[in-house]
Amino acid sequence: GDSVTQMEGPVTLSEEACLTINCTYTATGYPSLFWYVQYPGEGLQLLLKATKADDKGSNKGFEATYRKETTSFHLEKGSVQVSDSAVYFCALLFGGYQKVTFGIGTKLQVIP
Amino acid sequence: GAVVSQHPSRVICKSGTSVKIECRSLDFQATTMFWYRQFPKQSLMLMATSNEGSKATYEQGVEKDKFLINHASLTLSTLTVTSAHPEDSSFYICSARDPNRGLGNQPQHFGDGTRLSIL
Repeated sequence: GDSVTQMEGPVTLSEEACLTINCTYTATGYPSLFWYVQYPGEGLQLLLKATKADDKGSNKGFEATYRKETTSFHLEKGSVQVSDSAVYFCALLFGGYQKVTFGIGTKLQVIP
Repeated sequence: GAVVSQHPSRVICKSGTSVKIECRSLDFQATTMFWYRQFPKQSLMLMATSNEGSKATYEQGVEKDKFLINHASLTLSTLTVTSAHPEDSSFYICSARDPNRGLGNQPQHFGDGTRLSIL
């Protein structure tokens, strides 16, 4: 079945450090890929998405590129802020289906 | 603003109590809503798909009689945890898809979740 593998956290970074959270997927076909963010005590918010190979999703300084050859969708940010502290979920969805498959989530802690 | 409202945000109850959680779509009609459960340090696990006007579809391993789902209108789905016990303590999140948007744009809108604690 479909699955999403992402690095386990927590990831602790100093403010203004570079961030990479790895995400790879296993699926038959070409799903749409997403990153969701969950701030403490809140629900999930869509951070960015990519719907086909080589697409780059970006939002709030975060980026991720849909790499078909490596089945990856790594999340990156050049300079993190304390306000970026949250749990980040990689997810996939096939068009025509409504079930979203989530990764385990990676907790990011940014310290001043 | 929020397009999916979930209520309550936090519940603390005694063991044996039944707890109802509501999920409402605010700006659109949702024929399908989803209920997830999130264990500490784990991902969201889909529990069931709630279908308006028909029975919910439960994922393997989810007890239908334990987690009752009712989707009585196009904007409201409810999850009732019956005779809750401490092991039911978890974070429950609902979501809904806006049928007027493509799947690739915003697959699902999520509620803010309900933190359920059973003493």
